[in-house]
Amino acid sequence: AQRVTQPEKLLSVFKGAPVELKCNYSYSGSPELFWYVQYSRQRLQLLLRHISRESIKGFTADLNKGETSFHLKKPFAQEEDSAMYYCALNSGGYQKVTFGTGTKLQVIP
Amino acid sequence: SQTIHQWPATLVQPVGSPLSLECTVEGTSNPNLYWYRQAAGRGLQLLFYSVGIGQISSEVPQNLSASRPQDRQFILSSKKLLLSDSGFYLCAWSPKTGDGYGYTFGSGTRLTVV
Repeated sequence: AQRVTQPEKLLSVFKGAPVELKCNYSYSGSPELFWYVQYSRQRLQLLLRHISRESIKGFTADLNKGETSFHLKKPFAQEEDSAMYYCALNSGGYQKVTFGTGTKLQVIP
Repeated sequence: SQTIHQWPATLVQPVGSPLSLECTVEGTSNPNLYWYRQAAGRGLQLLFYSVGIGQISSEVPQNLSASRPQDRQFILSSKKLLLSDSGFYLCAWSPKTGDGYGYTFGSGTRLTVV
């Protein structure tokens, strides 16, 4: 069965410091991975997809199949990055997505 | 553009009462629709998904049911609520074409069963 693990419930960093939110997955097939973000009092929204290989709001994530990881990174944290971040795995033909338990990122001014 | 509406935003219901949460999507047709429950520290749990009118798949056994009476309408129901049904419920949609598109979520319903 598919599983997504986000080992950190809370990650606190200072403004301007690098950020790395960890995500590991377990899936026997070819995974499709996502990062979702939920800012305070806003909807959960898609941040980025591994197939796009894009940078959104300065965040990037690289799929490492050898380590079964999809860590989210940003070189310099900003206060507006403070939010809840969820890693997610699409393992079904109908896009049944499995979510991790989330990591709360707190950027300290 | 596509939008997703979910209501009510908050709901307080007594144990044993019925439940009906509604979700509608605009600006697209034949979407995949999903109900998730979000619990603190436990992430999002998929409850139901639907690929078409009248087609409902349940992911976990529970006190809840779902229906899709129209193409862009998805309803979460219960005949008799339990205390354990309290939580934050999210509706989402995704297009059928193009894997890797991701979900668009509604604003959620905070349900408190008392």
